[in-house]
This record gives sequence, C-alpha cells and structure tokens, in this order.
Amino acid sequence: DVKVTQSSRYLVKRTGEKVFLECVQDMDHENMFWYRQDPGLGLRLIYFSYDVKMKEKGDIPEGYSVSREKKERFSLILESASTNQTSMYLCASSLQQGSSTEAFFGQGTRLTVV
Amino acid sequence: AQKITQTQPGMFVQEKEAVTLDCTYDTSDQSYGLFWYKQPSSGEMIFLIYQGSYDEQNATEGRYSLNFQKARKSANLVISASQLGDSAMYFCAMRPPSNFNKFYFGSGTKLNVKP
Repeated sequence: DVKVTQSSRYLVKRTGEKVFLECVQDMDHENMFWYRQDPGLGLRLIYFSYDVKMKEKGDIPEGYSVSREKKERFSLILESASTNQTSMYLCASSLQQGSSTEAFFGQGTRLTVV
Repeated sequence: AQKITQTQPGMFVQEKEAVTLDCTYDTSDQSYGLFWYKQPSSGEMIFLIYQGSYDEQNATEGRYSLNFQKARKSANLVISASQLGDSAMYFCAMRPPSNFNKFYFGSGTKLNVKP
C-alpha cells in the first residue's frame, strides 16, 4: 500500500519558533509538494521539489523554506512561526512524467501558532 | 496562467439522489489531466477519478462519473445514488504537462448528504 506520511497530525507552536514539518513517501516519486489549506481558498502550493536538492517556489512561499536531502523526504520549515501560518498543511508526492498520474497525499498536519 | 474554479462553496443533496459538483478550468496547454479528490472531515485527500484531455469518453469509477466538456473547459463530477458517507469536501484539480507537472486545485465544494 503506497504511503505518504507526515510526522504530526496536530502541532501547537509559539510565535517566533522555528517549526519543521516532515513528510516521507515510499513510492520513489520524483515530485513532492507542500500545500496549505485554508477555508474558502482550497489548496495553495507553497513549494515543490522535482528532485533531490531541487526546489521551486509555489504560489505562497513567503515565510517558508524547504529541504530535500533524500528522495523520499521533503521538509517544510517555518523560519519564525506567526499566527497567520495557523493552517492545515498537506504534503503530496507524484511521478514526474506525464499528466495522467494522481498525487498521493499525507494525512495532513493541523498547525496552530499561538 | 492555470486556474481552477469551483463556484459552489456548499451543497446539499438528499440521500440516494444524484448530485453534480461544478468545476471549470483555464489553461493554454492542449494536453492536461483533470482529477477529483474527496476530503472527509478526518482530513486525508482521497483520489476519486481522472480524465485526460484527449480522452474521448467521460471517465467513470463506480458511482462517480466526470462530465467532461473540453470546449467549455468544464469537468463536473457527478455522484449517483448519494450516500451519507459522501458528505465531505470535494476538490477539482488540473495537471498540465508544463512546469514539472504541478497540480492546481480549486477552492473546493462542501457536500452535505441529508438522510
């Protein structure tokens, strides 16, 4: 059974803390994504990676960075957490070639910044 | 620019009836994939159905079918014989081949199935 696993379901952090969200996939996928989900806004792409150490900014990269040191792991970093980063974060992975294969998602991390 | 529009923030349907969730998209790519996902209250995203832009027939997967109208750039999801377990958020997504095959998502439709 293919899997994308996010390290935490729920996380509460304080303003100004450095926060790490971890994501691991076991499907040998080239592409990995971090999305942020807010009510009425759908899924917005923060960053994605198409290979080890390769990354591209998405639509809302401000306040975030990412790391992909190994193919199976993609980390999202909030350098200094702020209350407006309270949200649901979804990690996904997919094959790179073609447009016919779906993305597989992790279970999501609900982050609250207080 | 790629854009996905879901104009129905919320919908109600009676159990056992059919319901259509709307999705329109905008792209200059000729080849692309269209996807629908279901997100129950637990949060996980469940892949439902895929339609390729060059597929001549509308995709079907069990009670799910996709009403694909390429000229209108619409890809509506039809759920037949609704069940209480169909209550969830539904997201439409597009995947063009350009730009590393990123996925673009709509804002979602919250479906409530009434008993």
